[in-house]
Amino acid sequence: GEDVEQSLFLSVREGDSSVINCTYTDSSSTYLYWYKQEPGAGLQLLTYIFSNMDMKQDQRLTVLLNKKDKHLSLRIADTQTGDSAIYFCAGGAFSASKIIFGSGTRLSIRP
Amino acid sequence: DVKVTQSSRYLVKRTGEKVFLECVQDMDHENMFWYRQDPGLGLRLIYFSYDVKMKEKGDIPEGYSVSREKKERFSLILESASTNQTSMYLCASSSNKETPYGYTFGSGTRLTVV
Repeated sequence: GEDVEQSLFLSVREGDSSVINCTYTDSSSTYLYWYKQEPGAGLQLLTYIFSNMDMKQDQRLTVLLNKKDKHLSLRIADTQTGDSAIYFCAGGAFSASKIIFGSGTRLSIRP
Repeated sequence: DVKVTQSSRYLVKRTGEKVFLECVQDMDHENMFWYRQDPGLGLRLIYFSYDVKMKEKGDIPEGYSVSREKKERFSLILESASTNQTSMYLCASSSNKETPYGYTFGSGTRLTVV
């Protein structure tokens, strides 16, 4: 089955770019997702990329997908204190009932 | 604009009590899920349901059961609460008819068993 891995922590300086990385095993994943969890809250869908795309940009967010290496990344430009959260990578194959989540990367922002 | 509602944000229960965690969604989604979240362990799937009265075990179903009598409501039941069930519980829903199939999560219930 699908396995999704990501590092647990990332610390960046305010104003710098943050890059959160993720690897997955199931090449048949139709969509790959990034979720954001703010303290004390549930997960919120931040962005997603369809598996036939290489890149998706949405304002400060850029998602890169390398299908050959099964590697997904999320870049946050001009990181702000409000970006402090846990970011979950997730992948799913074909349907809405088989999404697998990584363990989450806690992003902390230094002044 | 609340779409997935979990009945309690914080709950404190005693060891041995039967605990009900309720989740309601208003999006007519077929699929509903219960996860627990613990530091360093990410999200672990407890149970999920594809349809009314349907349920499937996830990765860690021991000590839990679920009920889905109506499409919009999915209840998680701790038959006899134990301290190792102290955790954040997250409910989610999804639909096979809505790409990109992502899950919508509730705000979570932080359960403490003493």
